[in-house]
Amino acid sequence: QVQLVESGGGVVQPGRSLRLSCAASGFTFSSYGMDWVRQAPGRGLEWVAVIWYDGSKKYFSDSVKGRFSISRDNSRNTVYLQMNSLRAEDTAVYYCAREGVPGSRSWIQQWGQGTLVTVSS
Amino acid sequence: DIQMTQSPSSLSASVGDRVTIACQASQDISIYLNWYQQKPGKAPKLLIYDASNLETGVPSRFSGSGSGTDFTFTIISLQPEDIATYYCQQYDNLPLTFGQGTRLEI
Repeated sequence: QVQLVESGGGVVQPGRSLRLSCAASGFTFSSYGMDWVRQAPGRGLEWVAVIWYDGSKKYFSDSVKGRFSISRDNSRNTVYLQMNSLRAEDTAVYYCAREGVPGSRSWIQQWGQGTLVTVSS
Repeated sequence: DIQMTQSPSSLSASVGDRVTIACQASQDISIYLNWYQQKPGKAPKLLIYDASNLETGVPSRFSGSGSGTDFTFTIISLQPEDIATYYCQQYDNLPLTFGQGTRLEI
């Protein structure tokens, strides 16, 4: 079955960097767009970034543009979120998610369990 | 950005009740609207995609309707395990945007 397993979360000081990883299994990873969605404590869901199935396109929310980057390694079935210049407001559970239709933008169909990032001095 | 407005923000109902949640988009999004269920401490789960399509394995008591700017999510007979927060989300345009959520209590 589809599995998405995030790792790399933790406590980091403001201004520092962190890289999240999401290991995928149970499907043809190279065929699907992948997203990162976050949820601050007690708050709603906020989309962060998407990368096309082949890595050809990447888009970010305004709140992270210029600070975060997204990449994927289709040979390792892994998607990454590089987070630089972290701020307190980036504190959240970060979910890796897979889109629903291969080769095309679509709904978010599968979610990982999430990894907590806490930005604090 | 497309703004998604859900109502109500919280809802109390009884087992067996019919429950309806509304979601309004700030512009026409055709049918590109999804509904997710999130239980405390868990990841969201897709229930409905493209406004009215039931995701595989989701009980038929869940349904969705609408197009354009106005959408509705319905649970026809509320069960205890349906206690959760429900989110609508559009994918017509990037950035993907979510409603603020509807917290459902029994």
